[in-house]
Amino acid sequence: GENVEQHPSTLSVQEGDSAVIKCTYSDSASNYFPWYKQELGKGPQLIIDIRSNVGEKKDQRIAVTLNKTAKHFSLHITETQPEDSAVYFCAAPKGYQKVTFGTGTKLQVIP
Amino acid sequence: NAGVMQNPRHLVRRRGQEARLRCSPMKGHSHVYWYRQLPEEGLKFMVYLQKENIIDESGMPKERFSAEFPKEGPSILRIQQVVRGDSAAYFCASSEVPLNTGELFFGEGSRLTVL
Repeated sequence: GENVEQHPSTLSVQEGDSAVIKCTYSDSASNYFPWYKQELGKGPQLIIDIRSNVGEKKDQRIAVTLNKTAKHFSLHITETQPEDSAVYFCAAPKGYQKVTFGTGTKLQVIP
Repeated sequence: NAGVMQNPRHLVRRRGQEARLRCSPMKGHSHVYWYRQLPEEGLKFMVYLQKENIIDESGMPKERFSAEFPKEGPSILRIQQVVRGDSAAYFCASSEVPLNTGELFFGEGSRLTVL
């Protein structure tokens, strides 16, 4: 399975500022990079994903960038809002294998 | 199309009892994953199943834990002779295809408390 490191573990930003979470992976065969958001007391939910044939993908205030050479990908949230407060997980699965998630980033948006 | 259904949502057991957690995947999904999450921690992979087959159980303890996904009915995660360290939230996820080609859909989790 893949080894995925995620940073930072906690992140506090003022409402309206941007937040960036970064993940690095070790297996160059990984080709799909999802980001999940977990709100308190709930299950994780996919918010955005990217495949290895593109370098960036945007969906309104969230974006993901991928650098395959450096083996890292990042989640960018612009104009943060209190409802963005949650735990965010990345993953970098390859092949038909178990899916290992990063350790998570607890984002707090301060009103 | 109902989402992934897990039950029970909360389960309390005494040490030594058995815990059975059920997961009904989304309609049409044949891939099921179980994860364990301790408070303030990440999602730890336990087992990956397809209908009637265990594909990868490398994250599941060898003792006391078992999982199945029968041809008919929900996937079951079974924990025998529970201990306090088993207290956690257990999440089930399903997908139509393996994750590397598609999205994982998670249930709301089953929270096990061992007294």
